[in-house]
Order: sequence, then C-alpha cells, then structure tokens
Amino acid sequence: EPEVTQTPSHQVTQMGQEVILRCVPISNHLYFYWYRQILGQKVEFLVSFYNNEISEKSEIFDDQFSVERPDGSNFTLKIRSTKLEDSAMYFCASTRKPNTEAFFGQGTRLTVV
Amino acid sequence: AQKVTQAQTEISVVEKEDVTLDCVYETRDTTYYLFWYKQPPSGELVFLIRRNSFDEQNEISGRYSWNFQKSTSSFNFTITASQVVDSAVYFCALRPVDSNYQLIWGAGTKLIIKP
Repeated sequence: EPEVTQTPSHQVTQMGQEVILRCVPISNHLYFYWYRQILGQKVEFLVSFYNNEISEKSEIFDDQFSVERPDGSNFTLKIRSTKLEDSAMYFCASTRKPNTEAFFGQGTRLTVV
Repeated sequence: AQKVTQAQTEISVVEKEDVTLDCVYETRDTTYYLFWYKQPPSGELVFLIRRNSFDEQNEISGRYSWNFQKSTSSFNFTITASQVVDSAVYFCALRPVDSNYQLIWGAGTKLIIKP
C-alpha cells in the first residue's frame, strides 16, 4: 500500500542551526502539506503546496520556514534558524485532490536544544 | 470563525465497553468536509473517515460508527466493544470550503482502554 515517508524520524539540533525535514509523498498525489504538533497539543497547519508553489500558509509559517520540491519525488521543509519553540513533531501529508483524505507520514520529531 | 471542539480531553473505559467521542464544529460555510484521525502511541496519524456536509447518513465500519448531525454541528464517533488496541488519541478535523488545503483540528481526545 502506498504511503508517505518522512526522514529522519528524529532530529536533534542546536538553536540557530538550519534543519531540513524530508518527505516523499504518495507518487500520484498532487497536493502536499506540512503540519506540526507540539508535544501534547493539537495538530497545526503550516503550509500547502501545489503545482510547485505555496497554495496556502498559516501565521506559523514565517520567513524562517520554506518548502521545496527539488525533484519529482521529494518535498522538503527547511527551518533556517531553529528556535527552542520549533521543537515539535512535523508531519508531511499528501492528497490526490484538495478535498480527499490526507495521508500522513510517520512524522519527524524535531528537538531544538 | 472556523473551529473544532473536542470537549473530552481523556476517556478511560474497560475493554468491551462502548465509547463515544464527541466532536462539535463551527463554520459559516454550507459546504465543508469533516474527518477523524487516530494517533496511536507510535505517533503517526491514521485516517479513519471523511464526510462531506451534504451527506448526513451515518456510517458504520466494523466496530466504528459515526453520527453526523448538521442541526447540532456534531460529528461524533462511537467505538463498539472497545479493545485495548483502540487506545490512542483521536482527532476530529474540519476542512472549510474556502480552504481547499488546510485542516482545522480539534484538540484531540485521549482514549484509554483498560484490559
């Protein structure tokens, strides 16, 4: 069964460092998303991406964040200068069409120290 | 305002009991989509169901059933004959029609099934 895969599963980084979280969406999906979940809290939307551009982004997704689809399979989230409050589980998701169900990856747990 | 409320923070039941997780949503839209996701202790988010606002039929899938009541803006989820493997955090989410992209999430209900 096709699935969304994310790497790494856990990343520890020092405050101020850049991190890149990687995702491989389901191959025939066209819409890609990043969400985050601070430990014990609700899931929050960060950004959606379609046709090689950002479709929608939340207030959380400020200039420190960027997304890219560098090739036909990967979808990355970059945080330029990490802060302690960026520590969270980051989920990548993809959908075939906008209103169909989103399939999520296993998540990357980012810990900023 | 678009909002999802899951008032039950945590529910604990004994195995084989039935349990209902509540979800109440707010939206001005007449067209929208509702979802339930399960987050087991391993952390991933597992899709359970999608419902569009024009389809008020209740749905049953094995031990799972969903009751969509547009009049009360609720989309409740019932697990019949609960099992220990059902222990997880369950999230209800809303996708408004003016946003084809983002899901608005409830805070989640942590369900503990005791043997």
